[in-house]
Amino acid sequence: AQSVTQLDSQVPVFEEAPVELRCNYSSSVSVYLFWYVQYPNQGLQLLLKYLSGSTLVKGINGFEAEFNKSQTSFHLRKPSVHISDTAEYFCAVSEWSNLFFGTGTRLTVIP
Amino acid sequence: DAGVIQSPRHEVTEMGQEVTLRCKPISGHNSLFWYRQTMMRGLELLIYFNNNVPIDDSGMPEDRFSAKMPNASFSTLKIQPSEPRDSAVYFCASSLEAGGRGNEQFFGPGTRLTVL
Repeated sequence: AQSVTQLDSQVPVFEEAPVELRCNYSSSVSVYLFWYVQYPNQGLQLLLKYLSGSTLVKGINGFEAEFNKSQTSFHLRKPSVHISDTAEYFCAVSEWSNLFFGTGTRLTVIP
Repeated sequence: DAGVIQSPRHEVTEMGQEVTLRCKPISGHNSLFWYRQTMMRGLELLIYFNNNVPIDDSGMPEDRFSAKMPNASFSTLKIQPSEPRDSAVYFCASSLEAGGRGNEQFFGPGTRLTVL
C-alpha cells in the first residue's frame, strides 16, 4: 500500500525567507509524486509533479521539489516566499488513477 | 475550458434531509473523483469512476452516501439522510486516464455542506 507523510502540520516563515515543506512516502512500486496547493476557499491546484527523469522538478510560482529515492522523500522548496504563498500544501503519491494525499502543511508567510 | 464545475457552492440543510451534490468534469476526462475535506480527517477519497463505472467506493463512509455517474459529463453524490457529522467541503476532481498514474487531477471549487 502507498502512503504519504507530511510531518509538519504548520510552517510559519517570514516573507522573503526560504522554506522547505517535507514529504515522505512509502510504496512497494515505482511512484509518481505530486504537490498540490490549496488557497483559502478554493480547490486544489497542481504545483508540480515527478514522473521520471531528473530528480529536481520545477513547478509554478517558483516552487521546486527533489525526488530522493533512497530517502523516500519529495520535499518542496522555495528560495524566497511571498505573502501570496500563504496556503495549504498537499503532497500526494499516485497509484493507478488514484492519488493518496498527505494530511497537508499549512504555510503562513509573515510580513 | 471552464474547469470542473460543482454545484451548489454552499448548502445548508437540516439533519435528516436529503442532499445532492453535483459535478461536471472537464470535457474529455474519463476519470472522476469525489473527496471530502474536514479539519479532523483532512482530504479523504470517497469514490472514483473510470469511464462512468465506479472503480473504488471503499471510502464511502456508510450506506447513507451514494454516488452515480450516468454519463461522461455528470456525476452526483447523494447523502440521505444527512447528519451533522457530514458537514464538510466536498470536492469533485477529474483526470485524463490515459495510462493513468501520472495524470494530474483537476479539482472543482468544492461544495461547503453544513448540516444543522
